[in-house]
Amino acid sequence: SQTIHQWPATLVQPVGSPLSLECTVEGTSNPNLYWYRQAAGRGLQLLFYSVGIGQISSEVPQNLSASRPQDRQFILSSKKLLLSDSGFYLCAWKTERTKLSGNTIYFGEGSWLTVV
Amino acid sequence: AQSVAQPEDQVNVAEGNPLTVKCTYSVSGNPYLFWYVQYPNRGLQFLLKYITGDNLVKGSYGFEAEFNKSQTSFHLKKPSALVSDSALYFCAVRDISGSARQLTFGSGTQLTVLP
Repeated sequence: SQTIHQWPATLVQPVGSPLSLECTVEGTSNPNLYWYRQAAGRGLQLLFYSVGIGQISSEVPQNLSASRPQDRQFILSSKKLLLSDSGFYLCAWKTERTKLSGNTIYFGEGSWLTVV
Repeated sequence: AQSVAQPEDQVNVAEGNPLTVKCTYSVSGNPYLFWYVQYPNRGLQFLLKYITGDNLVKGSYGFEAEFNKSQTSFHLKKPSALVSDSALYFCAVRDISGSARQLTFGSGTQLTVLP
């Protein structure tokens, strides 16, 4: 079965410091990968998605970047964190095997980022 | 543009009573509809989805949802609520002709089941 791992679970970083959140998916190949941010415990905003190695699309302009160095690895980064980057970040994946089975997005456990 | 509305920020129900969490949607074509549940400080868990076929969809933990095309609704239901069902519930929609990155989430409904 497929699993998704995301770490670290919690992170407290000072303003101006770098960020690296990692996500890996197991049990599938060539997944679509996503980074979401959940602000104020409610709304979900898609930040980045990737359909393959090295292929990253950004949905919103921001202080963050994403990379996909391997098929099942997705990294969210920042060179210099801002206070406004605080939030709950969720990695997610979806298979493209078939149109019907491939339409559900599955989420990781999330990473709490507090920028101080 | 597609959209999802969860008109209730908070739903309270007594344990053992039926529960309903409402969701209405708007898409230009035919929808894919999803429900997710989020427990405190956790990621979203997939509950159920409507793709095609029977309008009544059964999912995890005894939940079900009914797709109503004329009312553009996809309400989540459970016949008998448990205290452990207390969580944040998200409805999501996308047009079947779109891509997964175009999945739109509602603002969430906090369900509290009272013992």
